[in-house]
Amino acid sequence: DQQVKQNSPSLSVQEGRISILNCDYTNSMFDYFLWYKKYPAEGPTFLISISSIKDKNEDGRFTVFLNKSAKHLSLHIVPSQPGDSAVYFCAASARDNDMRFGAGTRLTVKP
Amino acid sequence: DVKVTQSSRYLVKRTGEKVFLECVQDMDHENMFWYRQDPGLGLRLIYFSYDVKMKEKGDIPEGYSVSREKKERFSLILESASTNQTSMYLCASSLSETQYFGPGTRLLVL
Repeated sequence: DQQVKQNSPSLSVQEGRISILNCDYTNSMFDYFLWYKKYPAEGPTFLISISSIKDKNEDGRFTVFLNKSAKHLSLHIVPSQPGDSAVYFCAASARDNDMRFGAGTRLTVKP
Repeated sequence: DVKVTQSSRYLVKRTGEKVFLECVQDMDHENMFWYRQDPGLGLRLIYFSYDVKMKEKGDIPEGYSVSREKKERFSLILESASTNQTSMYLCASSLSETQYFGPGTRLLVL
């Protein structure tokens, strides 16, 4: 039972444009959400997070939006750069519980 | 700067062998985790530990065991490796919600 779903396995975007990665979850107890970025042959690195008390968190070119009623979050990258090409994992956790990850979306930013 | 290291980047083992994957973190984190990553399935939790000598099963513990004798070290053990355990294994540690990952061990079981 996958509680965190990333329905797009891949996304291709032109350099300078906006990248939007989506994530849906089913467990209403989740109260903390994270995005990780993973390059080949490396471990995932933490990118940005959001608590359920917020609906938006911004860090430079990266913004995460949370829609609790729809159980949906998204990661916006603008402007996209070729170095952003990686696999992005969405993750969610509930208080005192372990984290659940989505299957990942491979982003390709074309020069 | 958090550092999580894993003993091997690449490993090739034969079916039936006992395999040890070691993970060490240098940030005095209480929590440590073992995941495997497979295409289309994302990261799946195998085992985790919130304290020394403590372990909890994750979503896919079958065929694996763990050991946490010291706070900084969390070992994953494949008692008798099988071909369906060929995967990328990722260790992580955390103090709160954010987990920090090691570089991963790509294991091939022949």
